[in-house]
Amino acid sequence: KAGVTQTPRYLIKTRGQQVTLSCSPISGHRSVSWYQQTPGQGLQFLFEYFSETQRNKGNFPGRFSGRQFSNSRSEMNVSTLELGDSALYLCASSLVGGSGDTEAFFGQGTRLTVV
Amino acid sequence: GESVGLHLPTLSVQEGDNSIINCAYSNSASDYFIWYKQESGKGPQFIIDIRSNMDKRQGQRVTVLLNKTVKHLSLQIAATQPGDSAVYFCAETPMFSGGYNKLIFGAGTRLAVHP
Repeated sequence: KAGVTQTPRYLIKTRGQQVTLSCSPISGHRSVSWYQQTPGQGLQFLFEYFSETQRNKGNFPGRFSGRQFSNSRSEMNVSTLELGDSALYLCASSLVGGSGDTEAFFGQGTRLTVV
Repeated sequence: GESVGLHLPTLSVQEGDNSIINCAYSNSASDYFIWYKQESGKGPQFIIDIRSNMDKRQGQRVTVLLNKTVKHLSLQIAATQPGDSAVYFCAETPMFSGGYNKLIFGAGTRLAVHP
């Protein structure tokens, strides 16, 4: 079956702009998590959505937001972009999470460059 | 490919040797641990996991050891192959995080396999 699909793969934006990234989870998976990966900070958890509700949130400013649709597809939005937002944004999906199936499958990521 | 981490610790091994990658985790309340492999330009790929009620778990060519007393996790790769060259991350999930999809990642170790 198809894996986790993230679009676009690469994106270049200017400071102050906003950006929306998309993630399509594996069919049947209801949990979607987002992570930011940078050389300096490594992989950091942004938030997790399950059944259209944000279930967990990391320590990122309010400029970072997300949502999940009824078909489990998820989007994350970053407003008022800063140079430091340049990173690889990764999406992971899993069946249920919690006490259920726990393996998270990652997409290839969206490489965001802010100039 | 994208740079996962410019200053990661590197483990260099000869093809055919066994590799041991270590990780110190931070939260004594974590109860689920995972090892991921990330190749250049790709998202993290699940290797093996272990719950806190276990000390050891074996997979195909890989073994994970958990020492809760000193909060230490290790990944052993038998008969290391060139295809094992990648960055390896340990991840933990704190108990009561509301779900197992809030992963806290370690800094990563780069494994370089030489013929």
